[in-house]
Amino acid sequence: QKEVEQNSGPLSVPEGAIASLNCTYSDRGSQSFFWYRQYSGKSPELIMSIYSNGDKEDGRFTAQLNKASQYVSLLIRDSQPSDSATYLCAVRRSAGGTSYGKLTFGQGTILTVHP
Amino acid sequence: NAGVMQNPRHLVRRRGQEARLRCSPMKGHSHVYWYRQLPEEGLKFMVYLQKENIIDESGMPKERFSAEFPKEGPSILRIQQVVRGDSAAYFCASSPDLPEAFFGQGTRLTVV
Repeated sequence: QKEVEQNSGPLSVPEGAIASLNCTYSDRGSQSFFWYRQYSGKSPELIMSIYSNGDKEDGRFTAQLNKASQYVSLLIRDSQPSDSATYLCAVRRSAGGTSYGKLTFGQGTILTVHP
Repeated sequence: NAGVMQNPRHLVRRRGQEARLRCSPMKGHSHVYWYRQLPEEGLKFMVYLQKENIIDESGMPKERFSAEFPKEGPSILRIQQVVRGDSAAYFCASSPDLPEAFFGQGTRLTVV
């Protein structure tokens, strides 16, 4: 079983629709959860972080975390063509102290938003 | 506040040469992580360092690869005797004493 798994994709949605990206993780000790966006040929860009169960909203993005189900998701409302990218889910074991441990990434989901 | 700076952006090496990749973390960040990304693949963890210490090198090949983060200066990822399979994008990320990590622009290594 992979440590972090994302829905395989690619995912294609029309402009203005909601894009839903899903991620499951195997380590129950994971405490910190992140979504990164990576455009082709570019570096990953942090777009959301979430640490507690429930929803966290930032503009058109909503991250959802359910630790009991070991599940984290990202919703993108009013999707735009500029949202077309690979979205990477990442988890980290600890959330405190001075040593955080590595970020473990999923394989990514390619999102295409078509006009 | 400048972001994470990596150099060079592109590096071409012949098989058997050494590659040195540099990473200057964001100001105030004392944690550095190195990742490798092959074409069409995800990010693979290599090593996590704090100033003068290697915290976790579980993802780094035992041979030919080494990393350091000295008290002064950038973090260095060193690959000795490069082979074609080392061709990849190498990303550095840094974080403060908080969970979020921020990535540099990466170094694209090509071994010919």
